[in-house]
Parts: sequence; C-alpha cells; structure tokens
Amino acid sequence: GAGVSQTPSNKVTEKGKYVELRCDPISGHTALYWYRQSLGQGPEFLIYFQGTGAADDSGLPNDRFFAVRPEGSVSTLKIQRTERGDSAVYLCASSRGWGGPSTDTQYFGPGTRLTVL
Amino acid sequence: AQKITQTQPGMFVQEKEAVTLDCTYDTSDQSYGLFWYKQPSSGEMIFLIYQGSYDEQNATEGRYSLNFQKARKSANLVISASQLGDSAMYFCASLSSNTGKLIFGQGTTLQVKP
Repeated sequence: GAGVSQTPSNKVTEKGKYVELRCDPISGHTALYWYRQSLGQGPEFLIYFQGTGAADDSGLPNDRFFAVRPEGSVSTLKIQRTERGDSAVYLCASSRGWGGPSTDTQYFGPGTRLTVL
Repeated sequence: AQKITQTQPGMFVQEKEAVTLDCTYDTSDQSYGLFWYKQPSSGEMIFLIYQGSYDEQNATEGRYSLNFQKARKSANLVISASQLGDSAMYFCASLSSNTGKLIFGQGTTLQVKP
C-alpha cells in the first residue's frame, strides 16, 4: 500500500521568499505530524494534527511557520519570509490516531529538503 | 520533559555479528512508548520496533530486539546477524501518553563491515 508522500523532494529558495511543503498521509490515518531535521541531528517536533485541528503546535519556532490540514488528510506546512536557518529536512509522519503509545506508531515520509540561499 | 540520550555517535560491527545500540530515556510519565527508527542515507525514517512501558516482555521483530530495563531507564536495540544493508543512522525515540509527539535522541551511525 502507499506510504506517506511528500512534495517536493527538494526545494531551493531565496531568503525572504515564501514556501509551501505538502504531505499526503497514509490513507485512513487521522493523525499527522511535522518534524524538522537538521544535519546530524534527530528530528524535532513542529506540529501535530488530529483530524483537521492542530492538537499541538508547540514546536513551531515562530510565527513565520504555519500548517494546515483543511480536510483532515493532506497537510501543508507554510513558511513565510524564509531565513537561511530554516534550511533543513522537513519530515511528515502519520499514524492511525491517538490511541496511546501502545497502539500509535508513526510512519514517516521521505522528507522535503529545504535550502534557503 | 522527556529526554533521550544516545551516547554512541558511531559504531562498527562485522557482518553476521550482533551489535547493541544504547539508549537511555528520562521521563516522569507513567505510560509511555519507546521506538527505534532506522534512517539510511536515502533519508527516510523506517520504523523498526516498539516497546510499551507496561510491556513485561522485551519486544522482538525479526533480527531486532529491544533490551528494555525499566528501572535503569534504558531501551537498547540489539541487531543480530548484521547485514551490509543495516549500515545507517539509528534513532531512539519516546512517546508520552500525554502528547502525540516523538522525542528523538541524537542518533547512532552504524557501519557494517564485510
């Protein structure tokens, strides 16, 4: 079956520009997560959706970052006025739904590598 | 707050031998889960194995097993009969019962020698 997909796989942009990163979760998964991974580091949590609503956006670094999931499936991470420090791999994951740690494994997409020049 | 510590930045193992990757965690939650993911050079995070805090037996998935010692707050990954394809970065992560977010360690790079 299809896994989590992310587009684009690579995005190069100039400082100050706006970018959108898309995530298509596994069919039927109600929970969706965004993480950011810098080179040589573990992924860091950004935001988590349960259905259409953001259940936890505590990891968003500042108000330049915003994410939506209007129909409870595809999600878009939006970054305004990009900075060089935003360069990283942005990972999306999905899970069946928040049923507690005993049941809810997150499956990751291939990531979008964002480079801000 | 939860924290995951992986103290081995890099490890080498001979093909067909077993290797243990260390992971310690710090949490005040009563209910939590521990995960291991593999990240090859292609970049995708691949789920390997899960251990629940209330599970009495160590988790196993094929060549992977998790050595869970709750009192010591450790959740080491054991890979038996290493293969060249096991060369990758390995991440330990925890999931709190109160939140949906995974907290990752810094990772361990494993290289399998032929």
